[in-house]
Amino acid sequence: DAKTTQPPSMDCAEGRAANLPCNHSTISGNEYVYWYRQIHSQGPQYIIHGLKNNETNEMASLIITEDRKSSTLILPHATLRDTAVYYCIVLSGNYKLTFGKGTLLTVNP
Amino acid sequence: DVKVTQSSRYLVKRTGEKVFLECVQDMDHENMFWYRQDPGLGLRLIYFSYDVKMKEKGDIPEGYSVSREKKERFSLILESASTNQTSMYLCASSIQVGRAKNIQYFGAGTRLSVL
Repeated sequence: DAKTTQPPSMDCAEGRAANLPCNHSTISGNEYVYWYRQIHSQGPQYIIHGLKNNETNEMASLIITEDRKSSTLILPHATLRDTAVYYCIVLSGNYKLTFGKGTLLTVNP
Repeated sequence: DVKVTQSSRYLVKRTGEKVFLECVQDMDHENMFWYRQDPGLGLRLIYFSYDVKMKEKGDIPEGYSVSREKKERFSLILESASTNQTSMYLCASSIQVGRAKNIQYFGAGTRLSVL
């Protein structure tokens, strides 16, 4: 599975969009990009995934560059409850999730 | 909504005790997982089950065993607890088919302390 690189931390003002980047330059053609988050003292939570087209659901949007070497998770209107560690994971059919260090997003009032 | 329920949020046990961690999911998922999470080490897979009575070792199975007698229930067993098994334990489930098997639903976790 391809390795991912994320900034260790980011800040965002409440109500603004949070844009979390992820680099995955070694991604292969059949690998998907998955995003999870983990709020302090809770289990991880699935957010969204995509292959090459942009995706949107009720939680977030995922923008994948045309060369698929990077992606951005967008939380359109961040709230205090979105403060969490966000993990970008690249996988093919392998069920095994490997969480790196992720990005600690702090949403400030 | 998918619900994965772990029997305890906090557990304190003594060295040498046999410890059972229980996990139940209500979405008829085929796959179930046990992970442990430690600071600086991230999430590590202990065991995985893809069907009743079926199991596969993950990355760190030593010192653990599992049981899956019913589809909805997956138990993690520490045969003789040791202090290095103090950790946060997370259970997850997913369906088996296609890329959706990587959409895993997690329980709230059990923080186990072995004294």
